[in-house]
Amino acid sequence: DAGVTQSPTHLIKTRGQQVTLRCSPKSGHDTVSWYQQALGQGPQFIFQYYEEEERQRGNFPDRFSGHQFPNYSSELNVNALLLGDSALYLCASSQGVVFHEQYFGPGTRLTVT
Amino acid sequence: QKEVEQDPGPLSVPEGAIVSLNCTYSNSAFQYFMWYRQYSRKGPELLMYTYSSGNKEDGRFTAQVDKSSKYISLFIRDSQPSDSATYLCAMTGGTYKYIFGTGTRLKVLA
Repeated sequence: DAGVTQSPTHLIKTRGQQVTLRCSPKSGHDTVSWYQQALGQGPQFIFQYYEEEERQRGNFPDRFSGHQFPNYSSELNVNALLLGDSALYLCASSQGVVFHEQYFGPGTRLTVT
Repeated sequence: QKEVEQDPGPLSVPEGAIVSLNCTYSNSAFQYFMWYRQYSRKGPELLMYTYSSGNKEDGRFTAQVDKSSKYISLFIRDSQPSDSATYLCAMTGGTYKYIFGTGTRLKVLA
């Protein structure tokens, strides 16, 4: 049973560019959340997708947007990249309302130069 | 003031020691309390969760929640070098928006 997968593993972008990160949830899971983890910090919630809609959002600007597909996979898009966007981006999947079980992928490390 | 406070460490202990990791929080609406383990440059791995107050044991790990003090703990018995990682507490009031602590770096010395 495959867990949460994310691509790419690493990414280097230039300030001002746009980036798309991808996530496939654990088998049987229908909800995807995205988190940003800066070096030495805990993950911070960006937003959550369920039934192809954004259901909840954290304190991130509109430059951060997402999408969920009918097969439950998801994308995170970040526009007009800033140096401060450099971080590990984590995707987490879960099922229904089982709030205590959210499983994380290995993350995509984004470096903005 | 952060909603969740966690000592970043690092915490160094000898192999076989009992490790105590803690978090405090300020939001009384939190009901679910999770502990994750994160190895360097990897995603967090769910270790345990507790709902509301009380204790929960799983092998060498014990999680405790004291809602009256807004204080949660994770105990690791017979610690091993393979337990060396960053331990993150996370909590939520009943959504998938988890609030994480900053993580405590643990090093178990052989």
